[in-house]
Amino acid sequence: SQTIHQWPATLVQPVGSPLSLECTVEGTSNPNLYWYRQAAGRGLQLLFYSVGIGQISSEVPQNLSASRPQDRQFILSSKKLLLSDSGFYLCAWSGAYGYTFGSGTRLTVV
Amino acid sequence: AQRVTQPEKLLSVFKGAPVELKCNYSYSGSPELFWYVQYSRQRLQLLLRHISRESIKGFTADLNKGETSFHLKKPFAQEEDSAMYYCALRARDDKIIFGKGTRLHILP
Repeated sequence: SQTIHQWPATLVQPVGSPLSLECTVEGTSNPNLYWYRQAAGRGLQLLFYSVGIGQISSEVPQNLSASRPQDRQFILSSKKLLLSDSGFYLCAWSGAYGYTFGSGTRLTVV
Repeated sequence: AQRVTQPEKLLSVFKGAPVELKCNYSYSGSPELFWYVQYSRQRLQLLLRHISRESIKGFTADLNKGETSFHLKKPFAQEEDSAMYYCALRARDDKIIFGKGTRLHILP
């Protein structure tokens, strides 16, 4: 069966520090992968999506970047975090029945 | 433009009363629509899809193309239904567009 793993679950980082959030998928090949940010009152905002290795599309201009070094690995990064990067980040993959989401990472930038 | 609108941020309903979570969409073409639910301290998960025409946990949703709506309904609310509900639309490019969500609070 397909599973999606996302870590860490929570992260507290100082302003200006780098970020790396990782997401891996098992049980499927060549999945479409997505990074979302969930904010209260703003719903789920699509940040990046990838249809294959090395293929990244950005939905909104921001301080973050994404990479897909392997078929089932999707990484969300930043070189220097801003306070406004705080939020809840969700990774997802797309299957025939819709999206399956990871458990999310709560990022607090202090 | 592709858009999903959930007009209610918060909906409070007494246990045993009917529930209706509203969702309207804007999409040129035939959309694929979903409802996702997030219970407290759990991950976001699929509740139902319009294609399946199924009933999950007593919830149903009918796609009304004339009104461009996909409202989620349940005849008798239960306390365990308290959660955050998101209506979503999958476009042809496989991206899913979410509404801002409605928090359903079931009162005892």
